[in-house]
Amino acid sequence: QQPVQSPQAVILREGEDAVINCSSSKALYSVHWYRQKHGEAPVFLMILLKGGEQKGHEKISASFNEKKQQSSLYLTASQLSYSGTYFCGTDLLGGNKLVFGAGTILRVKS
Amino acid sequence: GAGVSQSPSNKVTEKGKDVELRCDPISGHTALYWYRQSLGQGLEFLIYFQGNSAPDKSGLPSDRFSAERTGGSVSTLTIQRTQQEDSAVYLCASSFTPTDEAFFGQGTRLTVV
Repeated sequence: QQPVQSPQAVILREGEDAVINCSSSKALYSVHWYRQKHGEAPVFLMILLKGGEQKGHEKISASFNEKKQQSSLYLTASQLSYSGTYFCGTDLLGGNKLVFGAGTILRVKS
Repeated sequence: GAGVSQSPSNKVTEKGKDVELRCDPISGHTALYWYRQSLGQGLEFLIYFQGNSAPDKSGLPSDRFSAERTGGSVSTLTIQRTQQEDSAVYLCASSFTPTDEAFFGQGTRLTVV
């Protein structure tokens, strides 16, 4: 049931864009995105709910294709601070019991 | 408190000993979660508390693991007869409702020697 994230890792230069994908084989109620820096706790980025509602930060954008059970996180004009491991968590029932993907390591170079 | 608080931050224990890990969620948050993160790995769901409902224990890896949440607030994760494979960072998170963002604590790094 673990969602599949792609790519596993990506290296960018400052200012470049990236897309991180998350797909599930199960019908999803919501998709949650978190970023974790080394040695730190995961930090919330965005929630995408079935039906189109989104909760998140203004500078982060994401999409949720309910039919395909896929979500994508869009990182534009990347900054050094974007570096970290990005996790998507999928929730099947609306209870926020999240099953996380293996993560995508993002590294932004100057 | 301002955020989710976990204690201890680090714990080294001998194989076979029992350990208790504590989580103090954000005041007013009804949902509380425990996750485990092994070195370089993703987040593995362990257990989920929501209000006064029976907890979802489906992620506990064995009967050596148990957790309780007293008074709808503080939670304790107990690992009995610890094994080396239990070594990981144990993360607690809480959210106001099940569909709100979850705030994670800094975790407890457990090392079983």
